[in-house]
Amino acid sequence: QVQLVESGGGVVQPGRSLSLSCTVSGFSFSSYGMHWVRQAPGKGLEWVAGMAFDGGNENYGDSVKGRFTISRDNSKNTLYLQMRSLRSDDTAMYYCAKEGNAYSSSWLESWGQGTLVIVSS
Amino acid sequence: IQLTQSPSSLSASVGDSVTITCRASQGIRSFLAWYQHKPGKAPKFLIYAASTLQSTAPSRFSGSGSGTDFALTISNLQPEDFATYYCQQLKSYPLTFGGGTKVEIK
Repeated sequence: QVQLVESGGGVVQPGRSLSLSCTVSGFSFSSYGMHWVRQAPGKGLEWVAGMAFDGGNENYGDSVKGRFTISRDNSKNTLYLQMRSLRSDDTAMYYCAKEGNAYSSSWLESWGQGTLVIVSS
Repeated sequence: IQLTQSPSSLSASVGDSVTITCRASQGIRSFLAWYQHKPGKAPKFLIYAASTLQSTAPSRFSGSGSGTDFALTISNLQPEDFATYYCQQLKSYPLTFGGGTKVEIK
C-alpha cells in the first residue's frame, strides 16, 4: 500500500537551517507530483511547496518563497524540503503528500504522518 | 486565491446532517478538494473536482458547487466524522486551503 514517511524534524534555533525528507513506497514515485503542507499549533493547514513528477516545475507558498527549497530524487523515492532562515512562525507539523493523478497536477490523495519542526532559541 | 470557509466550527449530534461552505475569492471552476483532519492523524482526502467522492470515502459525504461557491454536506453524522474539514483550491499556484471547519459533538 501507499506509504509516506517524513523525517528530519526537530528543534532548531531561529535563523538556522533544517532539511526534511519524505521516503515513499507502494507506488511509482517518479510518476506523481508531490507536496509539503504544514500545520502550526492551533492553526489550519497551510500549503508550503509542490513539485511536478519529473522535478521540472516547483512552486512555493508566499510565506516560504526564497527561504525553502523543494527537491526530489526519483532514484531514491524521496522528497526533500530544505528550510533556511527559519523563524518562530515556521514551527509546525510538516506533512508530505502525493498527488492523485499521475503526470498531472491534482488533489492530495495520500499523506504521511508528519514530522514536527520547532523553531526556538 | 483566498478560500473562506463557514462556519469555523459547529456542534451537531450523531444522525444530524451538516453543511460546510467554502467561497473562493475568484472563480476556480471545479478545481476544489475537501479533506478531513483529526488531531494527531494524517489528513484524509475525501472529495475532488468539487463533487466526486474518492473511492473509499463513505457515501454520506457529498460535495457540490462550481465557480466561487462550494459546499460539503455530511448526512447522518457518525461518531467518526467529528473532525476538522478543509477545502483546497487546485486552480492555480500557490495552492490554498480554507481556514477549516471544526465539527464537534453536541
